[in-house]
Amino acid sequence: KQEVTQIPAALSVPEGENLVLNCSFTDSAIYNLQWFRQDPGKGLTSLLLIQSSQREQTSGRLNASLDKSSGRSTLYIAASQPGDSATYLCAVNGGNNRLAFGKGNQVVVIP
Amino acid sequence: GAVVSQHPSRVICKSGTSVKIECRSLDFQATTMFWYRQFPKQSLMLMATSNEGSKATYEQGVEKDKFLINHASLTLSTLTVTSAHPEDSSFYICSASDSLNTEAFFGQGTRLTVV
Repeated sequence: KQEVTQIPAALSVPEGENLVLNCSFTDSAIYNLQWFRQDPGKGLTSLLLIQSSQREQTSGRLNASLDKSSGRSTLYIAASQPGDSATYLCAVNGGNNRLAFGKGNQVVVIP
Repeated sequence: GAVVSQHPSRVICKSGTSVKIECRSLDFQATTMFWYRQFPKQSLMLMATSNEGSKATYEQGVEKDKFLINHASLTLSTLTVTSAHPEDSSFYICSASDSLNTEAFFGQGTRLTVV
Protein backbone atom coordinates (compact mmCIF):
# COMPACT_ATOMS: atom_id res chain seq x y z
CA LYS A 1 0.00 0.00 0.00
CA GLN A 2 1.34 3.42 -0.96
CA GLU A 3 2.14 5.70 1.98
CA VAL A 4 2.71 9.39 1.45
CA THR A 5 4.41 11.57 4.06
CA GLN A 6 4.70 15.33 4.04
CA ILE A 7 7.22 17.22 6.12
CA PRO A 8 6.97 19.61 7.82
CA ALA A 9 3.35 19.30 8.89
CA ALA A 10 3.18 23.02 9.56
CA LEU A 11 5.44 26.01 9.09
CA SER A 12 5.34 29.77 9.38
CA VAL A 13 7.62 32.03 7.37
CA PRO A 14 7.96 35.79 6.97
CA GLU A 15 6.78 37.25 3.72
CA GLY A 16 9.41 37.14 0.99
CA GLU A 17 11.11 33.96 2.13
CA ASN A 18 11.23 30.92 -0.11
CA LEU A 19 9.16 27.90 0.91
CA VAL A 20 10.37 24.31 0.64
CA LEU A 21 7.77 21.59 1.14
CA ASN A 22 8.72 17.93 1.11
CA CYS A 23 6.78 14.84 0.09
CA SER A 24 7.96 11.23 0.25
CA PHE A 25 6.27 8.05 -0.92
CA THR A 26 7.02 4.40 -0.33
CA ASP A 27 6.21 2.81 -3.69
CA SER A 28 8.13 4.26 -6.62
CA ALA A 29 5.88 2.60 -9.22
CA ILE A 30 3.86 5.71 -9.96
CA TYR A 31 2.36 7.30 -13.05
CA ASN A 32 2.52 10.86 -11.83
CA LEU A 33 2.55 13.09 -8.77
CA GLN A 34 0.38 16.12 -8.26
CA TRP A 35 0.61 19.06 -5.86
CA PHE A 36 -2.58 20.73 -4.69
CA ARG A 37 -3.50 23.72 -2.62
CA GLN A 38 -6.39 23.58 -0.16
CA ASP A 39 -7.82 26.58 1.66
CA PRO A 40 -9.78 25.96 4.89
CA GLY A 41 -13.11 24.28 4.20
CA LYS A 42 -12.56 24.39 0.47
CA GLY A 43 -11.81 22.00 -2.35
CA LEU A 44 -8.47 21.28 -3.95
CA THR A 45 -6.79 23.47 -6.54
CA SER A 46 -4.30 21.71 -8.79
CA LEU A 47 -0.91 23.43 -8.80
CA LEU A 48 1.49 21.19 -10.67
CA LEU A 49 1.45 17.73 -12.22
CA ILE A 50 4.71 15.85 -12.75
CA GLN A 51 4.68 12.76 -14.90
CA SER A 52 6.85 9.85 -13.77
CA SER A 53 9.25 10.47 -16.67
CA GLN A 54 9.80 14.11 -15.68
CA ARG A 55 12.14 15.53 -13.07
CA GLU A 56 10.50 18.90 -12.54
CA GLN A 57 7.69 21.24 -13.47
CA THR A 58 7.46 24.99 -13.12
CA SER A 59 4.58 27.42 -13.02
CA GLY A 60 5.28 31.01 -12.10
CA ARG A 61 6.76 31.12 -8.59
CA LEU A 62 6.17 27.39 -8.13
CA ASN A 63 8.63 24.65 -8.94
CA ALA A 64 8.17 20.98 -8.17
CA SER A 65 10.84 18.33 -8.49
CA LEU A 66 10.47 14.57 -8.61
CA ASP A 67 13.01 11.87 -7.79
CA LYS A 68 10.97 8.78 -8.46
CA SER A 69 13.67 6.26 -7.58
CA SER A 70 14.10 7.67 -4.10
CA GLY A 71 10.40 8.37 -3.64
CA ARG A 72 10.64 12.10 -3.13
CA SER A 73 9.15 15.31 -4.42
CA THR A 74 9.76 18.86 -3.33
CA LEU A 75 7.59 21.91 -3.93
CA TYR A 76 9.40 25.24 -3.96
CA ILE A 77 7.51 28.49 -3.67
CA ALA A 78 9.67 31.53 -4.35
CA ALA A 79 9.24 34.88 -2.63
CA SER A 80 6.29 33.82 -0.49
CA GLN A 81 3.28 36.11 -0.08
CA PRO A 82 0.52 36.15 2.56
CA GLY A 83 -1.85 34.83 -0.12
CA ASP A 84 0.24 31.65 -0.24
CA SER A 85 -1.04 30.74 3.22
CA ALA A 86 -2.87 27.43 2.79
CA THR A 87 -2.41 23.68 3.12
CA TYR A 88 -0.41 22.06 0.35
CA LEU A 89 -1.19 18.45 -0.47
CA CYS A 90 0.95 15.95 -2.33
CA ALA A 91 -0.85 13.13 -4.16
CA VAL A 92 0.65 10.12 -5.88
CA ASN A 93 -1.08 8.32 -8.75
CA GLY A 94 -0.25 4.62 -8.66
CA GLY A 95 -2.45 3.92 -11.67
CA ASN A 96 -5.99 4.46 -12.91
CA ASN A 97 -6.09 7.93 -11.36
CA ARG A 98 -6.47 6.51 -7.84
CA LEU A 99 -4.59 9.04 -5.72
CA ALA A 100 -2.85 8.50 -2.40
CA PHE A 101 -2.51 11.71 -0.40
CA GLY A 102 -0.22 12.97 2.30
CA LYS A 103 -1.61 14.86 5.29
CA GLY A 104 -0.40 18.16 3.92
CA ASN A 105 1.97 20.99 4.73
CA GLN A 106 0.10 23.79 6.49
CA VAL A 107 1.76 27.07 5.56
CA VAL A 108 1.37 30.50 7.14
CA VAL A 109 3.13 33.43 5.52
CA ILE A 110 3.46 36.32 7.95
CA PRO A 111 3.15 39.82 6.48
CA GLY B 1 -7.99 23.52 -16.31
CA ALA B 2 -11.12 21.43 -16.40
CA VAL B 3 -13.95 22.21 -14.01
CA VAL B 4 -15.61 19.83 -11.60
CA SER B 5 -18.67 21.11 -9.76
CA GLN B 6 -19.94 19.56 -6.54
CA HIS B 7 -23.26 20.28 -4.85
CA PRO B 8 -24.24 21.03 -2.14
CA SER B 9 -21.27 22.67 -0.48
CA ARG B 10 -22.78 22.26 2.97
CA VAL B 11 -25.56 20.10 4.32
CA ILE B 12 -26.93 19.44 7.79
CA CYS B 13 -29.21 16.47 8.22
CA LYS B 14 -30.85 14.56 11.01
CA SER B 15 -29.55 11.20 12.09
CA GLY B 16 -31.23 8.39 10.16
CA THR B 17 -31.92 10.37 7.00
CA SER B 18 -30.16 10.09 3.65
CA VAL B 19 -28.17 12.75 1.84
CA LYS B 20 -27.26 12.90 -1.85
CA ILE B 21 -24.17 14.71 -3.12
CA GLU B 22 -23.68 15.47 -6.81
CA CYS B 23 -20.45 15.70 -8.74
CA ARG B 24 -20.44 17.07 -12.29
CA SER B 25 -17.70 17.49 -14.86
CA LEU B 26 -18.68 20.72 -16.60
CA ASP B 27 -16.49 20.84 -19.68
CA PHE B 28 -15.33 17.30 -20.22
CA GLN B 29 -16.60 13.74 -20.09
CA ALA B 30 -15.41 11.47 -17.33
CA THR B 31 -15.93 7.72 -17.55
CA THR B 32 -14.46 7.48 -14.07
CA MET B 33 -14.89 9.72 -11.06
CA PHE B 34 -13.60 9.31 -7.54
CA TRP B 35 -15.03 9.99 -4.10
CA TYR B 36 -12.81 10.93 -1.17
CA ARG B 37 -13.44 11.65 2.47
CA GLN B 38 -11.41 13.97 4.67
CA PHE B 39 -11.47 14.21 8.44
CA PRO B 40 -10.08 17.31 10.18
CA LYS B 41 -6.28 17.51 10.04
CA GLN B 42 -6.18 14.26 8.06
CA SER B 43 -5.39 13.41 4.49
CA LEU B 44 -7.96 12.61 1.86
CA MET B 45 -8.91 8.95 1.82
CA LEU B 46 -10.22 7.34 -1.34
CA MET B 47 -13.63 5.81 -0.72
CA ALA B 48 -14.63 4.51 -4.11
CA THR B 49 -14.22 4.69 -7.85
CA SER B 50 -17.36 5.58 -9.74
CA ASN B 51 -17.63 3.95 -13.14
CA GLU B 52 -20.03 5.23 -15.78
CA GLY B 53 -22.60 2.60 -16.62
CA SER B 54 -21.37 0.01 -14.16
CA LYS B 55 -20.99 -0.65 -10.46
CA ALA B 56 -18.69 1.41 -8.32
CA THR B 57 -15.52 -0.08 -6.89
CA TYR B 58 -15.20 0.46 -3.15
CA GLU B 59 -12.02 0.64 -1.11
CA GLN B 60 -11.47 -1.80 1.71
CA GLY B 61 -13.46 -0.86 4.78
CA VAL B 62 -15.99 1.33 2.96
CA GLU B 63 -19.57 0.03 3.22
CA LYS B 64 -21.13 -0.02 -0.22
CA ASP B 65 -24.67 -0.19 1.18
CA LYS B 66 -24.02 2.88 3.27
CA PHE B 67 -22.39 4.96 0.56
CA LEU B 68 -24.38 4.42 -2.62
CA ILE B 69 -22.73 5.62 -5.81
CA ASN B 70 -24.47 6.14 -9.12
CA HIS B 71 -22.70 7.23 -12.30
CA ALA B 72 -25.53 7.43 -14.79
CA SER B 73 -23.88 9.70 -17.35
CA LEU B 74 -20.43 10.75 -18.49
CA THR B 75 -20.72 14.02 -16.59
CA LEU B 76 -22.52 13.12 -13.36
CA SER B 77 -21.78 10.92 -10.38
CA THR B 78 -23.79 10.94 -7.15
CA LEU B 79 -22.90 9.77 -3.67
CA THR B 80 -25.78 9.02 -1.30
CA VAL B 81 -25.02 8.63 2.38
CA THR B 82 -27.81 6.41 3.63
CA SER B 83 -29.14 6.34 7.17
CA ALA B 84 -26.60 8.93 8.19
CA HIS B 85 -25.15 8.97 11.69
CA PRO B 86 -23.03 11.59 13.46
CA GLU B 87 -19.87 9.60 12.73
CA ASP B 88 -20.56 10.11 9.01
CA SER B 89 -20.01 13.83 9.51
CA SER B 90 -17.04 14.70 7.34
CA PHE B 91 -15.83 16.55 4.25
CA TYR B 92 -16.65 14.63 1.07
CA ILE B 93 -14.97 15.56 -2.19
CA CYS B 94 -15.03 14.17 -5.71
CA SER B 95 -12.52 14.24 -8.51
CA ALA B 96 -12.39 13.49 -12.22
CA SER B 97 -9.93 13.48 -15.08
CA ASP B 98 -10.58 13.77 -18.77
CA SER B 99 -8.36 10.81 -19.54
CA LEU B 100 -6.42 8.07 -17.82
CA ASN B 101 -3.47 9.01 -15.61
CA THR B 102 -3.63 12.70 -16.32
CA GLU B 103 -4.29 15.70 -14.12
CA ALA B 104 -7.05 15.20 -11.56
CA PHE B 105 -9.54 17.99 -10.93
CA PHE B 106 -11.52 18.27 -7.75
CA GLY B 107 -14.90 19.63 -6.82
CA GLN B 108 -15.41 22.19 -4.08
CA GLY B 109 -16.27 19.54 -1.52
CA THR B 110 -19.33 18.97 0.66
CA ARG B 111 -19.30 19.50 4.40
CA LEU B 112 -21.78 17.02 5.86
CA THR B 113 -22.94 17.45 9.43
CA VAL B 114 -25.26 14.84 10.90
CA VAL B 115 -27.09 15.93 14.05
